[in-house]
Amino acid sequence: EVQLVQSGAEVKKPGESLKISCEGSGYTFTTYWIGWVRQMPGKGLEWMGVIYPGDSDTRYSPSFQGQVTISVDKSFNTAYLQWSSLKASDTAIYFCARRYNSHFDSWGQGTLVTVSS
Amino acid sequence: QSALTQPASVSGSPGQSITISCTGTSSDVGGYNYVSWYQQHPGKAPKLIIYDVSNRPSGVSNRFSASESGNMASLTISGLQAEDEADYYCSSYTSSSTGVFGGGTKLTVL
Repeated sequence: EVQLVQSGAEVKKPGESLKISCEGSGYTFTTYWIGWVRQMPGKGLEWMGVIYPGDSDTRYSPSFQGQVTISVDKSFNTAYLQWSSLKASDTAIYFCARRYNSHFDSWGQGTLVTVSS
Repeated sequence: QSALTQPASVSGSPGQSITISCTGTSSDVGGYNYVSWYQQHPGKAPKLIIYDVSNRPSGVSNRFSASESGNMASLTISGLQAEDEADYYCSSYTSSSTGVFGGGTKLTVL
């Protein structure tokens, strides 16, 4: 069974850094893209970017390019989403998902990130 | 790229059919046969219900069907049931090798 397990909720202050994780299991991690999706409070889904664990090829949506960094450690079957300086507007739930062809076929449970002074 | 355009809300009575539209451009919806649809219940992760325009993953009810014409895709839910009440999102592959979601549609079963 394909599973994506994300790290727990985080509460941070503006300006702090953060790295959240997504561990895949039940499939060959290096052969499927992993994507990240943002959902701000009460809002819709936003496509952030994807990474191919096999060679770390990464694609970002223009809205998120330069705002976050997506990385992977294939020895731990884990993908990461990180911020160097958080803003209050980064408060959201972040989902990771496995990308099969062009769609996301399996999703993590989501990580709530709260940024507040 | 801009989000795909969906109606904010639709509603229907049990047993009826509803259709949700998803409008994009020739750089996304109209350019590729890679539209997918997701169902999201409150507090839950999204669930894939349609991929590659009109294909259903294993385990998804055949009450869900979808199609595409030009720059517009559509999701139809027939025989509405109370459990179908959720938010629905379309998504498309884009010319920049990324993806884009629609703004989401809240389905209310009356």
